[in-house]
Amino acid sequence: GAGVSQSPRYKVAKRGQDVALRCDPISGHVSLFWYQQALGQGPEFLTYFQNEAQLDKSGLPSDRFFAERPEGSVSTLKIQRTQQEDSAVYLCASSDTRVMHGNTIYFGEGSWLTVV
Amino acid sequence: KQEVTQIPAALSVPEGENLVLNCSFTDSAIYNLQWFRQDPGKGLTSLLLIQSSQREQTSGRLNASLDKSSGRSTLYIAASQPGDSATYLCAGGLGAAGNKLTFGGGTRVLVKP
Repeated sequence: GAGVSQSPRYKVAKRGQDVALRCDPISGHVSLFWYQQALGQGPEFLTYFQNEAQLDKSGLPSDRFFAERPEGSVSTLKIQRTQQEDSAVYLCASSDTRVMHGNTIYFGEGSWLTVV
Repeated sequence: KQEVTQIPAALSVPEGENLVLNCSFTDSAIYNLQWFRQDPGKGLTSLLLIQSSQREQTSGRLNASLDKSSGRSTLYIAASQPGDSATYLCAGGLGAAGNKLTFGGGTRVLVKP
């Protein structure tokens, strides 16, 4: 596609519910990133994939968060047993080189999660 | 741990005035420094990317400088327009992947007609 596509755009979940957020990166982009952005703050790194390999998951806040990219294209971020503090915008981004030292990164418009 | 700070948090200027946005970071071992724009309810759009070996980058009315020794970057927007109203975020790229970004909190800019 022309850009990074994320779905759903908006999700309201009851506390304790599991959610799955999908990211379609730009076709051919090797690298894929997930960031979490709380209201009024800058995004925070969650995890990074190079093709299907999850090379860095140091930013995942707890073991309730899980991300996968099984075929090296589409990625899913799953949050189990959602808590109110999980409410945030989840941003996906992709970039087109294997080793990034500053190539342009493209962000999707985000999935807005509200946990009630 | 890298920390990125942006001051001021918000800025309001009349149309035509030049904008100066500041960003400071604690870890000088960055691969790059990037500036992004974010409109309400939208994702981030990359504006300028400065490699660690560079001092500045320019694109149209935008100019960004990088001083690694002092841990500072500045984004200049010349002759501001109402369409420049948005939140501007800077981010330092670290790690084996230079796009593992640590973001500042952003500067919310309003350009008044």
